[in-house]
Amino acid sequence: EVQLLESGGGLVQPGGSLRLSCAASGFSFHTYGLNWVRQAPGKGLEWVANIIGNGGMSDYADSVKGRFTISRDNSKNTLYLQMNSLRADDTGVYYCAKEDNYGYEAFEIWGQGTMVTVSS
Amino acid sequence: DIQMTQSPSSLSASVGDRVSITCRASQTIKRYLNWYQQKSGKAPKLLIYGASNLQSGVPSRFSGSASGTDFTLTISSLQPEDFATYYCQQSHTSPFTFGPGTKVDT
Repeated sequence: EVQLLESGGGLVQPGGSLRLSCAASGFSFHTYGLNWVRQAPGKGLEWVANIIGNGGMSDYADSVKGRFTISRDNSKNTLYLQMNSLRADDTGVYYCAKEDNYGYEAFEIWGQGTMVTVSS
Repeated sequence: DIQMTQSPSSLSASVGDRVSITCRASQTIKRYLNWYQQKSGKAPKLLIYGASNLQSGVPSRFSGSASGTDFTLTISSLQPEDFATYYCQQSHTSPFTFGPGTKVDT
């Protein structure tokens, strides 16, 4: 069974850092692009970042560029999101998502999410 | 960035109703349009990819169509488990923007 399991969320003060992890199983990890998507409380979905299968290319939403870094360890089947200089508006549930193999880069599989709260 | 709009923002419907949700892209995205369903407290679930392709395991009462930069998700006969929020998303150009969502309730 294809699964994604996020961890690493929690409460952090403004200006602080946090690293999220997403452990994958059930598929050929290095073959697929992966994404982080977040959802502020009561709000819609916001794409955060993505990274291609070999980790050689990544991209970010303007709202996190320069503060967040997406990476992956294909030997550990794990995706990461290093979040620095956190702000109150970074609060929300963070999901990792696996892209499809149909060529449309739809987000075929999602993790259950991990909650990040930025507050003093 | 490509902006995605959805209409309506919410709708009230009954079991058995035919429901349609529209999504419009601010520029051409070809058929790189995906639809997701999200229930309260749960992760989103992919329903339709590539504008009109049904994701494996999704009931056939869900369908998608496209006309230029306008896209439609249709539920042919609403079931109790379909009350949820629906999001469109373009995967043509980064950033992969989502629409604001459409909440379907009773």
